[in-house]
Amino acid sequence: QQQVKQSPQSLIVQKGGISIINCAYENTAFDYFPWYQQFPGKGPALLIAIRPDVSEKKEGRFTISFNKSAKQFSLHIMDSQPGDSATYFCAASKAPGYSTLTFGKGTMLLVSP
Amino acid sequence: DAGITQSPRHKVTETGTPVTLRCHQTENHRYMYWYRQDPGHGLRLIHYSYGVKDTDKGEVSDGYSVSRSKTEDFLLTLESATSSQTSVYFCAISPGGTGTYEQYFGPGTRLTVT
Repeated sequence: QQQVKQSPQSLIVQKGGISIINCAYENTAFDYFPWYQQFPGKGPALLIAIRPDVSEKKEGRFTISFNKSAKQFSLHIMDSQPGDSATYFCAASKAPGYSTLTFGKGTMLLVSP
Repeated sequence: DAGITQSPRHKVTETGTPVTLRCHQTENHRYMYWYRQDPGHGLRLIHYSYGVKDTDKGEVSDGYSVSRSKTEDFLLTLESATSSQTSVYFCAISPGGTGTYEQYFGPGTRLTVT
């Protein structure tokens, strides 16, 4: 049973374009939704995260949009750059402290020059 | 990588041999986690620790054991390695506490079981 579904599996965007990655979750007890960025040969790095009490969070070119009623959240990368080419994972967890993250399967993003 | 080191970074071992992977942190964070990453599966939780000597199972714990005798070290042991345990293993840490959700990942260990 996959609790966090991520789409698309891969994405090609032109430089300067908007990259959009979507995630849907099933467990309404989830209350923390981070996005991780991973470059080849490296560990995942926390990019941005949101709690359900807000519908949007923006940090630089990265924005999370959150729809609690639809149980969906998405990552938008504005003005995408070749350096953004990486694998992106969404995740969700139910509690603070020893929260255990449930990950989506990842999206490989390629930003073409 | 948030003061997290993993050793070894690469290992090739034979089926049936025991293997221990080490995660070491310098952040004094309370919580530590072991994940495995496989193509098409994302990251899946193996075991986690919420304090010294306090551990619990994750989603894919069969065939793995863990130990934590010090705050800074979290060991993952494959008692008898199998080819299905060929994977990249990541350790993560989290400070814990009210309102603290963030997990930070180490650089990973690539394990190949032949």
